Amino acid sequence: SQTIHQWPATLVQPVGSPLSLECTVEGTSNPNLYWYRQAAGRGLQLLFYSVGIGQISSEVPQNLSASRPQDRQFILSSKKLLLSDSGFYLCAWSPNGRQQGNEQFFGPGTRLTVL
Amino acid sequence: AQSVTQPDIHITVSEGASLELRCNYSYGATPYLFWYVQSPGQGLQLLLKYFSGDTLVQGIKGFEAEFKRSQSSFNLRKPSVHWSDAAEYFCAVGGYAGNMLTFGGGTRLMVKP
Repeated sequence: SQTIHQWPATLVQPVGSPLSLECTVEGTSNPNLYWYRQAAGRGLQLLFYSVGIGQISSEVPQNLSASRPQDRQFILSSKKLLLSDSGFYLCAWSPNGRQQGNEQFFGPGTRLTVL
Repeated sequence: AQSVTQPDIHITVSEGASLELRCNYSYGATPYLFWYVQSPGQGLQLLLKYFSGDTLVQGIKGFEAEFKRSQSSFNLRKPSVHWSDAAEYFCAVGGYAGNMLTFGGGTRLMVKP
């Protein structure tokens, strides 16, 4: 069966520090991958998605970036964190190459607090 | 462009009472519809989905949802709520463009003993 992992689970970082969040998927190949952010009391905001290695699409311009160095690995990064980057970051995957409308499967999330 | 509206930000029900969470969508073709649940500090779990066929779909944990094309709605229901159902619920619509999902703003459910 497929599983999705995210780490770290929680992170406290000072303003201006770098960021690296990692997401890995097991039990499937060539998945679509997604990064979402959930600010306190808010809904989900899609940040990035990827349909293959090295293929990244950005939904919202900001100081974050994403990379997909391997088929089942998705990394969210920042060179300098802002206070507004605080939130709950969720990674998700969906099957690739099938009909539209496939559900997305979510990881456990990373709680990021920027001080 | 596709969109999802969940009109109720918060809902409180008594344990054992019935529940209905509302979801309205906007989509130019036949939508693919989903309900997810999120417990505090955790990821989202899929409750149920509608792709085609029977408009009443059954999900996990005793939930069901009914697709009503004429009303552009996909409301979530449960006949008897348990205290463990307290969580946030998200409705989502998807379709083309690489399986993008658009999520509603969520409804936070509180359950009174």
